[in-house]
Amino acid sequence: ELKVEQNPLFLSMQEGKNYTIYCNYSTTSDRLYWYRQDPGKSLESLFVLLSNGAVKQEGRLMASLDTKARLSTLHITAAVHDLSATYFCAVDEGYGGSQGNLIFGKGTKLSVKP
Amino acid sequence: ETGVTQTPRHLVMGMTNKKSLKCEQHLGHNAMYWYKQSAKKPLELMFVYNFKEQTENNSVPSRFSPECPNSSHLFLHLHTLQPEDSALYLCASSQTQGAREQYFGPGTRLTVT
Repeated sequence: ELKVEQNPLFLSMQEGKNYTIYCNYSTTSDRLYWYRQDPGKSLESLFVLLSNGAVKQEGRLMASLDTKARLSTLHITAAVHDLSATYFCAVDEGYGGSQGNLIFGKGTKLSVKP
Repeated sequence: ETGVTQTPRHLVMGMTNKKSLKCEQHLGHNAMYWYKQSAKKPLELMFVYNFKEQTENNSVPSRFSPECPNSSHLFLHLHTLQPEDSALYLCASSQTQGAREQYFGPGTRLTVT
């Protein structure tokens, strides 16, 4: 059974600081997703990582995937208040052919303070 | 309307009521999903439909009954729910089951009293 663990679950940062959110998963998979959720809103897709060593960047966020270590990271550079949200990683249960069944982590609630 | 829409956005129902949640996608996708997001648990996949056929039922209690009359519409019929069923119910769609990205609707906040 695939399990996905995120840490930390809560993160309070000061503006301008850097930090990393970690996502570990328990069985082999070759698809990992990062989503953002604002309070009361739906999930917004941030990154789709499809291969070992994949790195994607959008603004102050950068995501990477190490399939051998079963680890993905979401790095935040010079945080700003607008990044305050809950961030989820999700792993596709399938391997070598996606099933489309995503297993989500519990989410990391990020609060960026001035 | 664009993307994935859900109605109602908020629903309060008693344990003996029957209600339905509706999801509509305007993306031309062929796969649709129901997820449950509870306060202290990870987002959980409930059902998957691919080309109108149910392909996944993630051990969901029978008091939740999905219906997919066509590729654009997905319903979740609710009856005799329990207070622990209170949650945010999210609908998503993708080109087909297993396609690269799923697009989520805004969700229905359900409260069972």
